[in-house]
Amino acid sequence: GAVVSQHPSWVICKSGTSVKIECRSLDFQATTMFWYRQFPKQSLMLMATSNEGSKATYEQGVEKDKFLINHASLTLSTLTVTSAHPEDSSFYICSARDRLAGGFEQYFGPGTRLTVT
Amino acid sequence: GNSVTQMEGPVTLSEEAFLTINCTYTATGYPSLFWYVQYPGEGLQLLLKATKADDKGSNKGFEATYRKETTSFHLEKGSVQVSDSAVYFCALSRYGNKLVFGAGTILRVKS
Repeated sequence: GAVVSQHPSWVICKSGTSVKIECRSLDFQATTMFWYRQFPKQSLMLMATSNEGSKATYEQGVEKDKFLINHASLTLSTLTVTSAHPEDSSFYICSARDRLAGGFEQYFGPGTRLTVT
Repeated sequence: GNSVTQMEGPVTLSEEAFLTINCTYTATGYPSLFWYVQYPGEGLQLLLKATKADDKGSNKGFEATYRKETTSFHLEKGSVQVSDSAVYFCALSRYGNKLVFGAGTILRVKS
């Protein structure tokens, strides 16, 4: 149980275009989802916290107009990288918290590798 | 602020060797502590956790004890296998909010 999927697993896009990444909780409902960014050989940095039905809370230094987050249902959150540039190339990971299980455990998706050319 | 410091890697061990990966934290109050593992090409998986002082988390032969007096949560395993090769992340969370991760430690186990 507690499976989180991400789609796509990898994507290549041209500079200036937008890319949408989906994060789904497959077998549980997630009122809260988190989006992280991981640079090569570095740790995960939290970008934003997404709550179903409300606006995302962004971490300091993260441009909310560039990284659009939508959490429209209890099983789906999306991250859209708008007007992507090569410096946005990274590994994006989402996680979700099980609404019914209680506790604080987060379940992580497999990540999406974004390459902007 | 809250932070986690892990020993730098990579750590290279022979199969059946003893493993220790050090982790210390800085936080106000009493955070929950976690170890996550990331196998090549996969997402993070929770390995073990501890929610209060002196708790011991354990899973798959790995153990870590929440030491408030030394603000540490060191990961140990008595006999590593090649399949344990992965990146290990120590993390903390307060009140179930966002996770704060350490830099990660690469473990390589040779047969």
